[in-house]
Amino acid sequence: EVQLVQSGAEVRKPGESLKISCKGSGYTFSNFWIAWVRQVPGKGLEWMGIIDPSDSDTRYSPSFRGQVSISVDKSINTAFLQLRSLKSSDTGIYYCSRLRPPIWASGSDYWGQGTLVTVAS
Amino acid sequence: NFMLTQPHSVSEFPGKTVIISCTGSGGSIASNYVQWYQWRPGSAPTTMIFDNNQRPSGVPDRFSGSIDSSSNSASLIISGLKTEDEADYYCQSYDDSNHMIFGGGTKLTVL
Repeated sequence: EVQLVQSGAEVRKPGESLKISCKGSGYTFSNFWIAWVRQVPGKGLEWMGIIDPSDSDTRYSPSFRGQVSISVDKSINTAFLQLRSLKSSDTGIYYCSRLRPPIWASGSDYWGQGTLVTVAS
Repeated sequence: NFMLTQPHSVSEFPGKTVIISCTGSGGSIASNYVQWYQWRPGSAPTTMIFDNNQRPSGVPDRFSGSIDSSSNSASLIISGLKTEDEADYYCQSYDDSNHMIFGGGTKLTVL
């Protein structure tokens, strides 16, 4: 059974950084790109970027480039999303998903359960 | 820029059929595949339709998807509504710059 399991909820102060994880199981992790999507109250879903676990090729949404870093450790079948210089407006739920090939054509087929990030002073 | 617009909410009675629309603007809805995702509070999102009209294994055949180029829109059709279908539904596609884009989401209420 394909599963994506994300790390637990986090609370940070403005200006701090955070790294959340997404561990894949039940499939060959390197064969499928991973996407990160943010859900912020009142703003719907926002695509942040994607990564190819086989070679760490990464593409970022222009809206998030420079503010986040996406990485992967394929030895532990885990993708990471690092959030820098957090603001209160970054409060939301962050999801990882597995992309069906080919990328840029099809979408996500499996999703993580989401990681709630709260940024407050 | 290509955008996807969904109705904020729809409602229908159990056993009926509901159609959730996803209208493209700034480009053709047929240029890229459309996916539909179900978001239930407290649960991981679920892919209900991929590649416009394909259903993943495990998704009931009460769910179907279509594309209408004349209206530049995609539709998620749910027949035989059940209370468990109550959720938020999002359409998703790509713009010309290969950016993943989402509709604003539709809240389905089963009356």
